[in-house]
Amino acid sequence: DADVTQTPRNRITKTGKRIMLECSQTKGHDRMYWYRQDPGLGLQLIYYSFDVKDINKGEISDGYSVSRQAQAKFSLSLESAIPNQTALYFCATSDPKDRAGNEQFFGPGTRLTVL
Amino acid sequence: LAKTTQPISMDSYEGQEVNITCSHNNIATNDYITWYQQFPSQGPRFIIQGYKTKVTNEVASLFIPADRKSSTLSLPRVSLSDTAVYYCLVFNTNAGKSTFGDGTTLTVKP
Repeated sequence: DADVTQTPRNRITKTGKRIMLECSQTKGHDRMYWYRQDPGLGLQLIYYSFDVKDINKGEISDGYSVSRQAQAKFSLSLESAIPNQTALYFCATSDPKDRAGNEQFFGPGTRLTVL
Repeated sequence: LAKTTQPISMDSYEGQEVNITCSHNNIATNDYITWYQQFPSQGPRFIIQGYKTKVTNEVASLFIPADRKSSTLSLPRVSLSDTAVYYCLVFNTNAGKSTFGDGTTLTVKP
């Protein structure tokens, strides 16, 4: 969805480096999510936020942190990247007033490789 | 959150109707059933959502029996462009989130 953008689209980094992935949205949604997807598998929820002051851990938050700088921006950080964090990362948004918040709009993804 | 189980893969031919069934035995009262479609290297895209009985939109139908322990996504007259991974999710309105399983890879052949 073009209303949800992610930067960078691709990133190669080395073990131990700090990495930040950024997500911006123009949909005006309060809810934002970060997922990771490993090859051949489904998406796993890392963190989610229902508004600027609300941050919640998902299924696999260890090794990750997030920052909700504004309603439109939600960043994911890897403080010290490790190879098993190599994956495709997706940001998503939703509106609780629309389909009970069930319809999530996904960004194009960031492909992260940790060497 | 309720877990879902769906077939790993399915094959079909162009023009056929495809039905993908998902089981969600532990579904709760506040849970909705949702299906997403994902193409390679793209984010998932919402297809359809339902609570009970039948829901139809311009691309699919969703059948949910009275006990709500399973659901069936029906894609009428598939084309090659429907080749994708289809995810069945149970969305909890109280928690505001759902869990993706590993999905069903649908391959449509000419």
